[in-house]
Amino acid sequence: GAVVSQHPSWVICKSGTSVKIECRSLDFQATTMFWYRQFPKQSLMLMATSNEGSKATYEQGVEKDKFLINHASLTLSTLTVTSAHPEDSSFYICSARGGRADYEQYFGPGTRLTVT
Amino acid sequence: GQNIDQPTEMTATEGAIVQINCTYQTSGFNGLFWYQQHAGEAPTFLSYNVLDGLEEKGRFSSFLSRSKGYSYLLLKELQMKDSASYLCAVMDSNYQLIWGAGTKLIIKP
Repeated sequence: GAVVSQHPSWVICKSGTSVKIECRSLDFQATTMFWYRQFPKQSLMLMATSNEGSKATYEQGVEKDKFLINHASLTLSTLTVTSAHPEDSSFYICSARGGRADYEQYFGPGTRLTVT
Repeated sequence: GQNIDQPTEMTATEGAIVQINCTYQTSGFNGLFWYQQHAGEAPTFLSYNVLDGLEEKGRFSSFLSRSKGYSYLLLKELQMKDSASYLCAVMDSNYQLIWGAGTKLIIKP
């Protein structure tokens, strides 16, 4: 149990376009979902926290108009990178809380975004 | 500020034992987590400690001392597949995870 999926697993897009990444909790209701970004050889960086039905809380330095997060249901959150630039190329990982153990975060497999 | 410290890299031999340390300073404490992350993959949960002491789970054990702000992850009978980064994370008073930079563990035959 407690499986989180992400789609797509990798994507290449041109500079200036937008990319949507989906995060789904497959067998539990995710009351809270988290979006992380990880650059090579660096630790996870929390971008935003979202609760179902409410606006996401963004970390300092993360542009909310550029990284649009929607948590429309208890099993789905989406991250849209708008007007992508090469510096947005990174590994984006979502995680969800709300499974059998309230303290545990279950991670999706990640999405590798490359902006050319 | 909040801070998690762990060694950047460690090397060990297949079949041996290795201990990865983590020290932390956070605003509040609601538990400490260890995650394993292979290159290019998302982290996977290894352990959770909220009370002082040792938690054993197969070849992996995790220890916590809240008074010292200290934890370690102990890996026994090392296998080549254990080569990965090991991330220490603390849940603060807001139930947010504060992440360490990770320890890259290299296993040599």
